[in-house]
Amino acid sequence: QSVLTQPPSVSAAPGQKVTISCSGSSSNIGNNYVSWYQQLPGTAPKLLIYDNNKRPSGIPDRFSGSKSGTSATLGITGLQTGDEADYYCGTWDSSLSAGQVFGGGTKLTVL
Amino acid sequence: EVQLVESGGGLVKPGGSLRLSCAASGFTFSSYSMNWVRQAPGKGLEWVSSISSSSSYIYYADSVKGRFTISRDNAKNSLYLQMNSLRAEDTAVYYCARYGSGWGDYWGQGTLVTVSS
Repeated sequence: QSVLTQPPSVSAAPGQKVTISCSGSSSNIGNNYVSWYQQLPGTAPKLLIYDNNKRPSGIPDRFSGSKSGTSATLGITGLQTGDEADYYCGTWDSSLSAGQVFGGGTKLTVL
Repeated sequence: EVQLVESGGGLVKPGGSLRLSCAASGFTFSSYSMNWVRQAPGKGLEWVSSISSSSSYIYYADSVKGRFTISRDNAKNSLYLQMNSLRAEDTAVYYCARYGSGWGDYWGQGTLVTVSS
């Protein structure tokens, strides 16, 4: 059971838009920055979004992030077949057992 | 170019030990906090441990506390994870990741640890 809750899967057609939610609590998302990671099959995770809504250099603006209260959302527009991957949210948890926490991951299928 | 290269994985029996290494290059290693994250086969990401740039702050996941030890050698640009009392549930690909412009702005390719008799 992951500390952060994500939908197991989402799907959409090429060219469409999809959003992936990430729900947490005041000890994690509510008081810390959220990051999003993309993991293509057989590869290491890659940072897509950090500090809730910032994109690292080289990440296209088709990817966006937002945060409200204890939830965060990753948005992907203009879906491409190459976007098929697992997506994870992550943030620091400031509870007694402090540490980085991740969502369970969301499998994106581009139909 | 930032590079993180893990090594040291392999097959180990339950109760055994293993030491993972992460060789860093392309950036000033001593200026960054570093982390270990693992991924069991077919499962999601699980944070394992974090260490600050000067080793002043160290954190562990409850699942490994007391069994794993994170350390770093800034002179050698290297991060380590000493894993003792290994269990079957520790079987995973272990990644090192940098905390730079965001948590996990760079990741290594991972090293597979298999705990089995």
